[in-house]
Amino acid sequence: RKEVEQDPGPFNVPEGATVAFNCTYSNSASQSFFWYRQDCRKEPKLLMSVYSSGNEDGRFTAQLNRASQYISLLIRDSKLSDSATYLCVVNGGTGGFKTIFGAGTRLFVKA
Amino acid sequence: GVTQSPTHLIKTRGQQVTLRCSSQSGHNTVSWYQQALGQGPQFIFQYYRKEENGRGNFPPRFSGLQFPNDSSELNVNALELDDSALYLCASSLFPGETQYFGPGTRLTVL
Repeated sequence: RKEVEQDPGPFNVPEGATVAFNCTYSNSASQSFFWYRQDCRKEPKLLMSVYSSGNEDGRFTAQLNRASQYISLLIRDSKLSDSATYLCVVNGGTGGFKTIFGAGTRLFVKA
Repeated sequence: GVTQSPTHLIKTRGQQVTLRCSSQSGHNTVSWYQQALGQGPQFIFQYYRKEENGRGNFPPRFSGLQFPNDSSELNVNALELDDSALYLCASSLFPGETQYFGPGTRLTVL
């Protein structure tokens, strides 16, 4: 089992749609969680930090469920510019610090 | 921001390579990642205040250093064809906090 698993995608959605990304992690000792966005042939850029209390930034909402070891990202009213790969990131764990990225979920938003 | 050099590099199997990174000013932590095409970044190691703070599943021929002037380097010895990838450096204030990535170095091993 992978340490961080994401929906394989790709997701193809029309403009204005609501899209949900899911991520699970295996190490219960993980300490911090993020969503990053990566455009083609570019470096990852921070989208949001993820907290148990939830985190909302405009059209984007992220949620952490520690009991289920599950992280989610919701994008409302999708724009063409949201087309990118969305990466779930988990930090911490036991036996030394690690940052684990999911494989990413590609999103295509079409006009 | 975070800068990396060189942008592109071509090496042959068995050679050694050094990649460089300049962290965001004031950041104590630098991490290095390998990203193959179509995959998420894979954690190589992290340095915090000049000491290795954590390591992923990479062999000892991947090594690194963090310098007092916010710069760091990744060294790879005895290059293999599978080492061809995008190498990303990221800095943060402390381990576990938001990481800011450089543009990466694309390494091709022939």
